[in-house]
Amino acid sequence: QLQLQESGPALVKSSETLSLTCTVSGGSINSSSYYWGWIRQPPGKGLEWIGSLYYSGSSYYNVSLKSRVTISVDTSKNQFSLKLSSVSAADTAVYYCARLRGGRAAGTFLDFWGQGTLVTVSS
Amino acid sequence: QLVLTQSPSASASLGASVKLTCTLSSGHSTYAIAWHQQQPEKGPRFLMKLNSDGSHSKGDGIPDRFSGSTSGTERYLTISSLQLEDEADYYCQTWGTGIVVFGGGTKVTVL
Repeated sequence: QLQLQESGPALVKSSETLSLTCTVSGGSINSSSYYWGWIRQPPGKGLEWIGSLYYSGSSYYNVSLKSRVTISVDTSKNQFSLKLSSVSAADTAVYYCARLRGGRAAGTFLDFWGQGTLVTVSS
Repeated sequence: QLVLTQSPSASASLGASVKLTCTLSSGHSTYAIAWHQQQPEKGPRFLMKLNSDGSHSKGDGIPDRFSGSTSGTERYLTISSLQLEDEADYYCQTWGTGIVVFGGGTKVTVL
């Protein structure tokens, strides 16, 4: 059974860079059938797509975050990562990693989710 | 612009049915969507992919009580025989070239 697990600091200081890693087990990230993505959810609010990545390295980002986001892949470790720079309190959220089915640039529907990790931005 | 609109809340009695609506923005009536469930204090779970013709494919272990249907730009999720564990937030999600979009979510309360 596929599993995705987010890891990284729970607390990040304002203006610094948020870094998270998603470890994929039970399946290979090196598949042409899927994309791998990051989604976030501020406390009490809805879901926001951050970006998606193909195993080859092609990446797609939410326009509203594009200037601050980098998503990368390490196929040797079956992991992909998120970096969000110049964070502020507005970036406080639960961050989820997920698998998306392929078929369209950035992926189509999310069919597996990680459990999520809360990241708080402190001043 | 690709946008999904959901009503903020819905409610129904235990054992009854509830029908949730997700509306695609004008000009996107051929788009498929996905439905996701988020129970309190948990991460989201994929329920189903719903095509514009009403056909749908569910995720592993999703009960038959969950079904999908379509009409024009509207995509529906019907939950029959409501159980207490169905009290959750439900999000629709779609995609375009290079983008993934979520609706605002509907909170379902079981009375």
